[in-house]
Amino acid sequence: DAMVIQNPRYQVTQFGKPVTLSCSQTLNHNVMYWYQQKSSQAPKLLFHYYDKDFNNEADTPDNFQSRRPNTSFCFLDIRSPGLGDAAMYLCATSLPRPSPYNTQYFGPGTRLTVL
Amino acid sequence: GESVGLHLPTLSVQEGDNSIINCAYSNSASDYFIWYKQESGKGPQFIIDIRSNMDKRQGQRVTVLLNKTVKHLSLQIAATQPGDSAVYFCAEIEVNRDDKIIFGKGTRLHILP
Repeated sequence: DAMVIQNPRYQVTQFGKPVTLSCSQTLNHNVMYWYQQKSSQAPKLLFHYYDKDFNNEADTPDNFQSRRPNTSFCFLDIRSPGLGDAAMYLCATSLPRPSPYNTQYFGPGTRLTVL
Repeated sequence: GESVGLHLPTLSVQEGDNSIINCAYSNSASDYFIWYKQESGKGPQFIIDIRSNMDKRQGQRVTVLLNKTVKHLSLQIAATQPGDSAVYFCAEIEVNRDDKIIFGKGTRLHILP
């Protein structure tokens, strides 16, 4: 089945220790997104790629970086995790506009714990 | 650890009854809407969508209603089951503007036995 895969599902890191989360997709979608979701809140968009074109949200801290080496893979790098970065990180993909259906398909998420 | 999140509105429904979850959206130019279901510890899962040229769309046990006049969206779940317990998010998109979606705040659906 075509899908969005995130690894690892659970990640524990220490305060200040860099961490990388990965996402892969078999949907061949042009657009890939990274969201941060904290408890009882809606997902918050960090950035997205349209093919290799990177689009950062204005309020995304510099501590968060991303790489997309090819269509299938996208990585989220947190350079110096703080306690406030503990959250669920969601990857999503979609077809680009003007596709009639810009539905985003989400992966299962990576739960990040910062000690 | 995580900061304390906002308290999600909760809808408690008896098993077997119908559920109605409401959402007010913000952008009058939005022309595509999605309902997502998010179970604990999982990513949001697509349930049903609707375009702005429709006011009703039905799926299996779910119906979405759109009222553009008052910018209101609702999700109706028929014969609610224990597996329907989750947080439900509405999402809006302005298709020709950008690739981003705007999520609503979410509603937690709690099924009573």
